Amino acid sequence: DADVTQTPRNRITKTGKRIMLECSQTKGHDRMYWYRQDPGLGLRLIYYSFDVKDINKGEISDGYSVSRQAQAKFSLSLESAIPNQTALYFCATSRGQGAVTGELFFGEGSRLTVL
Amino acid sequence: LAKTTQPISMDSYEGQEVNITCSHNNIATNDYITWYQQFPSQGPRFIIQGYKTKVTNEVASLFIPADRKSSTLSLPRVSLSDTAVYYCLVGDGETASKLTFGTGTRLQVTL
Repeated sequence: DADVTQTPRNRITKTGKRIMLECSQTKGHDRMYWYRQDPGLGLRLIYYSFDVKDINKGEISDGYSVSRQAQAKFSLSLESAIPNQTALYFCATSRGQGAVTGELFFGEGSRLTVL
Repeated sequence: LAKTTQPISMDSYEGQEVNITCSHNNIATNDYITWYQQFPSQGPRFIIQGYKTKVTNEVASLFIPADRKSSTLSLPRVSLSDTAVYYCLVGDGETASKLTFGTGTRLQVTL
C-alpha cells in the first residue's frame, strides 16, 4: 500500500462545480503539501500545513482551499472549478520540526479535468 | 531561498553515464542538495541527497565541490527506464515548504 494516498486518481467535472481532492498518509509525518503540475511545467505549491492547526498559502492559492482534518489527512477543495484548474495535483508529506533535511514524499497524483 | 539552474533537456544512449549539473550560487550554510526523479503522470521520487563532497547510493552519485555552488547528479550506465525529468532542489528541513520545483532536466535515453 502506498504511504501517501490520493483520491480520486482521476476526475472530470464541469465549470462551477465544487471538487474535493483527498490525501491521506501513513508515514506519521507532520507536514503535508498540495502541489499542482501543468503539462511541461514543474510543480507549484498551492497550500501547505505544518501540523493540524497550521495552514499556509503557497505560490498559487487563489481559487483553492484546504482542510487538515487530522495529522494523516489533508484535503484540497476547489469551491467553483474553472477550466484553467485542469491539471495534475500532487499531495506530499515531509517530517516535521527537527528534521535535518526536507525530503518530500509524494502521492501518485490526482488528474483533474474541468470542462 | 537558493535558486537553482539546470539544463532543460539532455539526450543519452543506453549504457552511457549521464551527468546533470545544477548551479545554486546562493546556497545557505544549512541547505542540503536533493535530487528527485519524475516519470510521466507520477509524483517525484527522491533519488539522492548530499551536503558536501560525494554521496553514492544504489542508483546514483552526487558530486558537490567544496564551494557547494553547484552539484552534479551522475547516473551510471543509464537504461531506457531512466528516461524522466530530474529536479535539483536546495533547502533544509525548515524551508522544505518553500522548495520550488522548476522545470527540471528532461533526460531522454534511447537505444
